Amino acid sequence: LAKTTQPISMDSYEGQEVNITCSHNNIATNDYITWYQQFPSQGPRFIIQGYKTKVTNEVASLFIPADRKSSTLSLPRVSLSDTAVYYCLVGENNYGQNFVFGPGTRLSVLP
Amino acid sequence: NAGVTQTPKFQVLKTGQSMTLQCAQDMNHNSMYWYRQDPGMGLRLIYYSASEGTTDKGEVPNGYNVSRLNKREFSLRLESAAPSQTSVYFCASSWDTRTFGNQPQHFGDGTRLSIL
Repeated sequence: LAKTTQPISMDSYEGQEVNITCSHNNIATNDYITWYQQFPSQGPRFIIQGYKTKVTNEVASLFIPADRKSSTLSLPRVSLSDTAVYYCLVGENNYGQNFVFGPGTRLSVLP
Repeated sequence: NAGVTQTPKFQVLKTGQSMTLQCAQDMNHNSMYWYRQDPGMGLRLIYYSASEGTTDKGEVPNGYNVSRLNKREFSLRLESAAPSQTSVYFCASSWDTRTFGNQPQHFGDGTRLSIL
């Protein structure tokens, strides 16, 4: 089971780029790295997923170094509506002990 | 397109009462999941169903039972509710990752359950 470590909380200001780093030192060969976003009173929402190098979509970028022992979620030019909890998950699939949500990173975007 | 729908949204029970939480998805996904989320914590997997006809225990299955009624529906039952089961319950679905590779999960908006 690949355990992840993220900062408990982060603050940022509108318009800034936010980078949230997740450590996963014992990531396995077949594990993917997945990030979810959760707003209050809602279920988590998939943001981005990657295996190695860099992945970019319309919402975020995910940077994964060659050793894959960490990953960084990058949110460009955040707005107040990006205030949420962000979860980093590492696993081969969605099942059982392979897919564990930790406490996540609580991002607060300030005006 | 509703995605994952959970009912009810809120419920208050007394200790010892039973209750079934309902979940339905309209994305034709193979796999479905039940999680609980306690204040300030991440989600913990209770049970999952990798495909229709199968169910397996997750991290915290004690005190719960599940039924995969058909491909669309996956219910969670509390036979004798306890205050420790006060939580927010989330249902999720995804494509079968064993067949399609690692797939993101799609979540409902949760059922807030209080047990007195």
